[in-house]
Amino acid sequence: EVQLQQSGPELVKPGASVKISCKASGYTFTDYNMHWVKQSHGKSLEWIGYIYPYNGGTGYNQKFKSKATLTVDNSSSTAYMELRSLTSEDSAVYYCARTKLLFDYWGQGTTLTVSS
Amino acid sequence: QIVLSQSPAILSASPGEKVTMTCRASSSVSYMHWYQQKPGSSPKPWIYATSNLASGVPARFSGSGSGTSYSLTISRVEAEDAATYYCQQWSSNPLTFGAGTKLELK
Repeated sequence: EVQLQQSGPELVKPGASVKISCKASGYTFTDYNMHWVKQSHGKSLEWIGYIYPYNGGTGYNQKFKSKATLTVDNSSSTAYMELRSLTSEDSAVYYCARTKLLFDYWGQGTTLTVSS
Repeated sequence: QIVLSQSPAILSASPGEKVTMTCRASSSVSYMHWYQQKPGSSPKPWIYATSNLASGVPARFSGSGSGTSYSLTISRVEAEDAATYYCQQWSSNPLTFGAGTKLELK
């Protein structure tokens, strides 16, 4: 059974950084792109970018290029997203999602709250 | 970027009714995907490549469209269909989602 297990909720101060994880199981991690999606409270979905675990290749939404860095640890089948210089605008639920054609499996989401 | 405009924003329907929601793209796209999301849950794949139902999706759902206009239709709405439906494209960067259509049951 394919599962994407994300790390727990985060409460961080403005200006800080945070690293969210997404541990994959039930499939060959390096065969699928891993994407990250932001959902602000009560709002729609925004694509942040993707990483191809096989070779570490990445693609970013220009809007998030200076905000997010995507990495993987193939030895543990885990994808990471680091968000930096956090502001209240970054408070949201962040999802990882596997894709070949469409997002066929999603993590449960990680709630990030940026507050002093 | 390609903007996806979904209408209506809120759709109110009675059980058994046929409903259609649309997704219009600001430029032509090759295909459209759709996701269903219920409160407190992650989105679920619903329709892929315009007209193909994802695994487990009831046959009362269908998708169609081409170019800049796509739609999701439910032939006979059931209570379990209450959710927000999002369209998504990746014909060009960046990948974008629509704002969603919230289906409410009367």
